[in-house]
Amino acid sequence: GAVVSQHPSRVICKSGTSVKIECRSLDFQATTMFWYRQFPKKSLMLMATSNEGSKATYEQGVEKDKFLINHASLTLSTLTVTSAHPEDSSFYICSASRASGSDEQFFGPGTRLTVL
Amino acid sequence: SQELEQSPQSLIVQEGKNLTINCTSSKTLYGLYWYKQKYGEGLIFLMMLQKGGEEKSHEKITAKLDEKKQQSSLHITASQPSHAGIYLCGADKSSYGKLTFGQGTILTVHP
Repeated sequence: GAVVSQHPSRVICKSGTSVKIECRSLDFQATTMFWYRQFPKKSLMLMATSNEGSKATYEQGVEKDKFLINHASLTLSTLTVTSAHPEDSSFYICSASRASGSDEQFFGPGTRLTVL
Repeated sequence: SQELEQSPQSLIVQEGKNLTINCTSSKTLYGLYWYKQKYGEGLIFLMMLQKGGEEKSHEKITAKLDEKKQQSSLHITASQPSHAGIYLCGADKSSYGKLTFGQGTILTVHP
C-alpha cells in the first residue's frame, strides 16, 4: 500500500524559532499533498493544499507567511512554522494523493509540535 | 458551524457487540471517507464511498452512503478491542480532494 512518512515525529522548540516538518510519499508520486492541523481531542482542520511545482493554496484564516509550504518534488512537501509561538503547538498531519480531485488520500503519522 | 456531524461523540461497548457510527452533512458530497485514528497517530484509511446508495465492507466493518449522498453510517459487527480508536468521517465537498472532517467518535471496546 501507499506509505506516507513525516519527520520529525515530535519536536520541541523555543518561542521565536522556526520549525520545518517534512512529508514524504515513500512508494508513489504525490501530485497533491494536504496539510492538516489537529488540536487535542478535536478533529482535523485543513490548512493548505500543495501541488508539485506550484504555490500552495491556503484555507481561510491560515497565514501563508506563518506556515510556509513547499512542494518541491512529487515525493516531498515541507511545512515550515515560522517564528513559532506557544499557540502554534499542535499535531500536524499531512496527506498525499496520486492525483488532484477526489482521489484516495494517504495520511502520514503526524508531527507533534510543542513550542515553549 | 460544524459542517459534518458525527454521532455519537463517544461509544463504549462490550466485546462482541455490534455498533453504528453516523456522519451527516447538510450538503451533497462528492465523496465520503472513513478513517480510524489512534490518539496522537496518523489516520488509517478504512473506506471511500462516492455513489449514492453505495455500500462497502471490509472484514467486520461496513460503510454505507445514502441515496442523497448526505449521510453515511459505519457499522462494526462483533466488535473487538482492536477496533477501539477514534473514527473520523471526512467529506470532499468540492471534488478537489479537500477534506472536511467530522469531530470524531471515540470508540472503546471492553474485553
